[in-house]
Amino acid sequence: QKEVEQDPGPLSVPEGAIVSLNCTYSNSAFQYFMWYRQYSRKGPELLMYTYSSGNKEDGRFTAQVDKSSKYISLFIRDSQPSDSATYLCAMSVANNAGNMLTFGGGTRLMVKP
Amino acid sequence: EAGVAQSPRYKIIEKRQSVAFWCNPISGHATLYWYQQILGQGPKLLIQFQNNGVVDDSQLPKDRFSAERLKGVDSTLKIQPAKLEDSAVYLCASSLDGSFYGYTFGSGTRLTVV
Repeated sequence: QKEVEQDPGPLSVPEGAIVSLNCTYSNSAFQYFMWYRQYSRKGPELLMYTYSSGNKEDGRFTAQVDKSSKYISLFIRDSQPSDSATYLCAMSVANNAGNMLTFGGGTRLMVKP
Repeated sequence: EAGVAQSPRYKIIEKRQSVAFWCNPISGHATLYWYQQILGQGPKLLIQFQNNGVVDDSQLPKDRFSAERLKGVDSTLKIQPAKLEDSAVYLCASSLDGSFYGYTFGSGTRLTVV
């Protein structure tokens, strides 16, 4: 069993739709939970991160963490064609030189005009 | 601020050949990471450096992969000999102090082994 599971998609939605992306994890030691966006032929870029269970909002994006269920979500409101990308969840455990990230497999999102 | 630079962008080699990738992190970033991203999968950490010392290389296939970070700045990742399953994008990332929110990824080197 992988430590972090993520539905690969692809997920296709019309412009303006609400998008829900999800990950489950098995390692209780994970401390921080992140969402990265990766455009084609680019490296991942950090969108949002959370530490505790609950919601965190940033513009059209809301990250949700439920540690009791080991489940995290990213919601995108009023989705735009520019949101079309692969979304990667990631989780971190601290080592003696910072944080080591474990990524999910990514969900490919396509927002159609 | 300049980003993480990687070269080459693309490389095609035959199996059993050797290949090397280069990474120049953001100036002043002490922590440097190499990740392997196979098509359709998330990045997997291969090795983490703190300055010029290795912090974690537990997932590096040491029989064929090697990496170094001389003088705590640039880094090279080498594969010798390459296998078909090494086809992937090799991403370099750097961080000022190891914190994840300071992570910056390069655009990667896309390796195809034929």
